[in-house]
Amino acid sequence: ELKVEQNPLFLSMQEGKNYTIYCNYSTTSDRLYWYRQDPGKSLESLFVLLSNGAVKQEGRLMASLDTKARLSTLHITAAVHDLSATYFCAVDSNTDKLIFGTGTRLQVFP
Amino acid sequence: DGGITQSPKYLFRKEGQNVTLSCEQNLNHDAMYWYRQDPGQGLRLIYYSQIVNDFQKGDIAEGYSVSREKKESFPLTVTSAQKNPTAFYLCASSFGWDTQYFGPGTRLTVL
Repeated sequence: ELKVEQNPLFLSMQEGKNYTIYCNYSTTSDRLYWYRQDPGKSLESLFVLLSNGAVKQEGRLMASLDTKARLSTLHITAAVHDLSATYFCAVDSNTDKLIFGTGTRLQVFP
Repeated sequence: DGGITQSPKYLFRKEGQNVTLSCEQNLNHDAMYWYRQDPGQGLRLIYYSQIVNDFQKGDIAEGYSVSREKKESFPLTVTSAQKNPTAFYLCASSFGWDTQYFGPGTRLTVL
């Protein structure tokens, strides 16, 4: 059974700093997704990573995938307050389903 | 304007009552999904449907039922058998295995 773990679960960081969120998963998968959720809101798609070594960047966020290590990272560069949200990774289980991590709640303070 | 709509935004259920949550999409997506999210938690899959008139149970289907009579619509009924239904319910849709796009959600509270 596929398990997806994120760490840290909670991250408080100062504006301007860099940090990385990690997503580990337990079995082979071809697809990994990153989503953002603002408090009380729905999920917004950020990235889809389809192959080993894939790297996607949008603004201050960069996601990468290492399928051999079963690891994806979401790197935050020079954080700003607007990035405060909960970030989820989700892994395709190869059985019609996505398995979501528990999320990383990010707070960026001045 | 393409997208996924869910209604109502807030729903209150009395003990022993069945309630139905609506999910509609005009993205021409084949696949539709229902998830449940509890406070501070990730998403758990309730039911999903890859094509019209067919659907499969997810990880927490007990106490829920769905139908998929039209491509655009995938309503979820929370039955009285679901003993702890208070949660945030999210509907999503996708083209096959492509990215899932989410609706705005329905917040269900048991009175």
